[in-house]
Amino acid sequence: LAKTTQPISMDSYEGQEVNITCSHNNIATNDYITWYQQFPSQGPRFIIQGYKTKVTNEVASLFIPADRKSSTLSLPRVSLSDTAVYYCLVGPTGGGNKLTFGTGTQLKVEL
Amino acid sequence: GAGVSQSPSNKVTEKGKDVELRCDPISGHTALYWYRQSLGQGLEFLIYFQGNSAPDKSGLPSDRFSAERTGGSVSTLTIQRTQQEDSAVYLCASSLNLDRGEKLFFGSGTQLSVL
Repeated sequence: LAKTTQPISMDSYEGQEVNITCSHNNIATNDYITWYQQFPSQGPRFIIQGYKTKVTNEVASLFIPADRKSSTLSLPRVSLSDTAVYYCLVGPTGGGNKLTFGTGTQLKVEL
Repeated sequence: GAGVSQSPSNKVTEKGKDVELRCDPISGHTALYWYRQSLGQGLEFLIYFQGNSAPDKSGLPSDRFSAERTGGSVSTLTIQRTQQEDSAVYLCASSLNLDRGEKLFFGSGTQLSVL
């Protein structure tokens, strides 16, 4: 199983760019990298997914180096509403028990 | 429905009682997952259903836990003889299981409290 390691917590201020890095040294060839956001009392919500290089959507960017042993979620100009737990998930399609969530990164955004 | 629906949203029960938690996945989604999340913790995998294949039950913590998925749609997670350590949020997720990466869509969960 591709184990992931993320910082436990991060603090930022409104308007700043936040980068959260996830390490996944034993990622497999058919594994994808997916990031989820979770607010209190809600289930996780899909943010972005990638396999290699860079992916960008309307809320975030995902940077993946050539060796794919890590990935960085980039949130541009965060606001208070971005305060949440962010999970990095590594696994294949139809991953079943391989889709394991770590403890995530608690991001706190302040004024 | 538009998203994954779970019921009940909250369940309080007494130790030793049985409980059933329900999940209605997004229509057409072939894969269904159950996870458990204890307070302040990450998600713990419980069970995975994919189409008509035998479910992956490798995450179920004990034989008091079981789950079924009827007609490839609705799923029920049953916990027999509940214990206080079963108290947690039980989350259900469904996905399309596409070839190019899997995206899980989660319900809001069932908060289970065992007194």
